[in-house]
Amino acid sequence: DGGITQSPKYLFRKEGQNVTLSCEQNLNHDAMYWYRQDPGQGLRLIYYSQIVNDFQKGDIAEGYSVSREKKESFPLTVTSAQKNPTAFYLCASSALVQETQYFGPGTRLLVL
Amino acid sequence: AQSVAQPEDQVNVAEGNPLTVKCTYSVSGNPYLFWYVQYPNRGLQFLLKYITGDNLVKGSYGFEAEFNKSQTSFHLKKPSALVSDSALYFCAVRDPNTGNQFYFGTGTSLTVIP
Repeated sequence: DGGITQSPKYLFRKEGQNVTLSCEQNLNHDAMYWYRQDPGQGLRLIYYSQIVNDFQKGDIAEGYSVSREKKESFPLTVTSAQKNPTAFYLCASSALVQETQYFGPGTRLLVL
Repeated sequence: AQSVAQPEDQVNVAEGNPLTVKCTYSVSGNPYLFWYVQYPNRGLQFLLKYITGDNLVKGSYGFEAEFNKSQTSFHLKKPSALVSDSALYFCAVRDPNTGNQFYFGTGTSLTVIP
């Protein structure tokens, strides 16, 4: 997990609330990613960014938003439009988009 | 079609015995293949990767994997399992045909029995 931090470790969301998950890396990597992990489904890509101020939708982007204002930061907002947000969220980064991805420790999001 | 498949949800092996965790892929061209391990409530840790060259790749913690192009497989192996190897293992493939996106398998839970 070294080099990539995610906070908080646990996050609780109320109905209709937007919440933001933090991801920071000090690896000087250009590319960053957000995945959602559900039991038995592996990892599914939400968004990724190859460079500052640019990002692309992954397979399950609906109900989520991201920004990439700084190279080291890639926050994910889970909006109220995401009706089933309970999951384990993993942030990753890589030197280039085709290179090995390294993961943060994850944030578990629960709905109150 | 699924780009990568892990046909076994669960693998049990006795401590000291060799272990194999299976992975097959369905990406054309020259895929990059990866193995990761995940311990409970933790992020994924990189174990090893195949890009090109020798079909047998050695990685962290004594793990290795063999790339077999004809069988489109990339099975993870270890000669002698440890109880501490018990974890969730993910195979991943980088698909050069879809903008280098990574696709992860659904994971295989490995239990090493003392």
